Amino acid sequence: GESVGLHLPTLSVQEGDNSIINCAYSNSASDYFIWYKQESGKGPQFIIDIRSNMDKRQGQRVTVLLNKTVKHLSLQIAATQPGDSAVYFCAENPGTYKYIFGTGTRLKVLA
Amino acid sequence: DVKVTQSSRYLVKRTGEKVFLECVQDMDHENMFWYRQDPGLGLRLIYFSYDVKMKEKGDIPEGYSVSREKKERFSLILESASTNQTSMYLCASSLSPRQGPRYEQYFGPGTRLTVT
Repeated sequence: GESVGLHLPTLSVQEGDNSIINCAYSNSASDYFIWYKQESGKGPQFIIDIRSNMDKRQGQRVTVLLNKTVKHLSLQIAATQPGDSAVYFCAENPGTYKYIFGTGTRLKVLA
Repeated sequence: DVKVTQSSRYLVKRTGEKVFLECVQDMDHENMFWYRQDPGLGLRLIYFSYDVKMKEKGDIPEGYSVSREKKERFSLILESASTNQTSMYLCASSLSPRQGPRYEQYFGPGTRLTVT
């Protein structure tokens, strides 16, 4: 959510294992959520989105889960690959033009 | 496939210089955004534009201005660059709710600006 931190949390995962990246969002009025992937030196890349009328949405190797009760969002990556190494962050939209971005989690895939 | 391009990947400027960062999108998006990204702080919105010649201040507009003369182009201007404006600058575009139900933001590759 809007928390600001100096240290980026890091998740280290063995290649082939599943990864779960979490995000606590801040605005209970948010009704649209996005997960982005950002590789070093590049702009954020859209992965998957979910609207508040859903609890779960699946893409290719990725699943997003939304728990509105506790304002929690998670991204699950199946069979993690070296190319998945990046910073992942969530974004929430409370129905205006403005998006609120999380600070991100660095995913490291170990060979 | 949406494409958002930014004029420079890397830029080095001196304190006091006027700096122009250009962004172009090719998907007829109404909304365009300028963010800066600093370690540990996430993306912070500088300015937003929802139509040609229309703009709104974001969270950190001080020291910046913008220009949107054409729908596809959104420029960020640093009137007098300062060292605390050293950062990664990201442009994004999206549909507006008027244009369709999906409105994720598409980002450009970023411009890493260093002010010395």
